[in-house]
Amino acid sequence: EAQVTQNPRYLITVTGKKLTVTCSQNMNHEYMSWYRQDPGLGLRQIYYSMNVEVTDKGDVPEGYKVSRKEKRNFPLILESPSPNQTSLYFCASGKIANIQYFGAGTRLSVL
Amino acid sequence: DQQVKQNSPSLSVQEGRISILNCDYTNSMFDYFLWYKKYPAEGPTFLISISSIKDKNEDGRFTVFLNKSAKHLSLHIVPSQPGDSAVYFCAASYTNAGKSTFGDGTTLTVKP
Repeated sequence: EAQVTQNPRYLITVTGKKLTVTCSQNMNHEYMSWYRQDPGLGLRQIYYSMNVEVTDKGDVPEGYKVSRKEKRNFPLILESPSPNQTSLYFCASGKIANIQYFGAGTRLSVL
Repeated sequence: DQQVKQNSPSLSVQEGRISILNCDYTNSMFDYFLWYKKYPAEGPTFLISISSIKDKNEDGRFTVFLNKSAKHLSLHIVPSQPGDSAVYFCAASYTNAGKSTFGDGTTLTVKP
């Protein structure tokens, strides 16, 4: 089954404790991206990757890191999480950058 | 500066009637537009898209209209079904470029 898999689905952590949210796709897509969704603010793009070793900032990259060492994986790293990073996160992939297939989401709470 | 706006947070229609969801954008350089549907506890799913070289694209019950001069697009659902009840996001991007900008979403409720 073609899918984008995010882990974990739910995470509660404390301020400053480094965390990684993994994202994996099995569709051989070149393009991958991370978004956060907050109430009343829709989906905001954090980072995207057009291909392996190629990443670029979206609209809200501050406080986040990504890496794209292999085609299928695109982890999101929070080096020092803060409460304002409490949000619902979505990973997406696509054969082309425009039409994206989303994972089920990761709900993160930073205390 | 919000480049993509969905001014109606919610819309309620009767089953069988037409649903019209609207979206406005400010950046005239956007050349590819999409609609996604999102159910609770799931990720958004792609619904329909349109390139700026077209003014209409149809897929079954779903039609997207693009008015470039007004920087406006709309999604028409005919006939609406209760299963269409979801949050609808419009998105704008540049063809084959990585950045995507989403609107805030419109919650559609289709009443039986």
